[in-house]
Amino acid sequence: GDSVTQMEGPVTLSEEAFLTINCTYTATGYPSLFWYVQYPGEGLQLLLKATKADDKGSNKGFEATYRKETTSFHLEKGSVQVSDSAVYFCALIDKLRGGSNYKLTFGKGTLLTVNP
Amino acid sequence: NAGVTQTPKFRVLKTGQSMTLLCAQDMNHEYMYWYRQDPGMGLRLIHYSVGEGTTAKGEVPDGYNVSRLKKQNFLLGLESAAPSQTSVYFCASSLGLAGTDTQYFGPGTRLTVL
Repeated sequence: GDSVTQMEGPVTLSEEAFLTINCTYTATGYPSLFWYVQYPGEGLQLLLKATKADDKGSNKGFEATYRKETTSFHLEKGSVQVSDSAVYFCALIDKLRGGSNYKLTFGKGTLLTVNP
Repeated sequence: NAGVTQTPKFRVLKTGQSMTLLCAQDMNHEYMYWYRQDPGMGLRLIHYSVGEGTTAKGEVPDGYNVSRLKKQNFLLGLESAAPSQTSVYFCASSLGLAGTDTQYFGPGTRLTVL
């Protein structure tokens, strides 16, 4: 079945450092790809998404480009802040069994800590 | 507009006890989902619903039941809790499933089964 593999954390950076969190996927078709963020004590929030190859999703200074040739969707930010400390999940839309509906398949999450 | 809310926020059960987790959304979404989140496992889909009165199994449905009697509510039941069900449970909803729809998540319920 479809799957998502993201780099294991934790990742610890200093404020204003460059961030990359790697994400690769396997899929039979052409999935939509997502990054979700989970701040401490909260539920997941959609950070950005891309629905087809070469699309770039962006939000709050974060970017990710859908690369079909390398089956990747790496998350990047040029200058992280303390407030970016959270768990980041890569995900793809997968087809649910027995029907035409879909579910999200999540990676295991990467904990990012940004120190002042 | 409260979005997705979950009740309770925390709960401790003894093995064999039963309980129901309530999820409510005020966005008129058709689709609702229950996930569990375990360390190192990411989120896994337990059950989902594509509309009022419908439910379907997800990736890890065993030991859980669900009901969607009203469009805005999605209940997750544990009939006989086991320690393996210790987890954080998240409810989510979405307007549709066109392959690109955004899921909105609740704040989670932390359940411990002793």
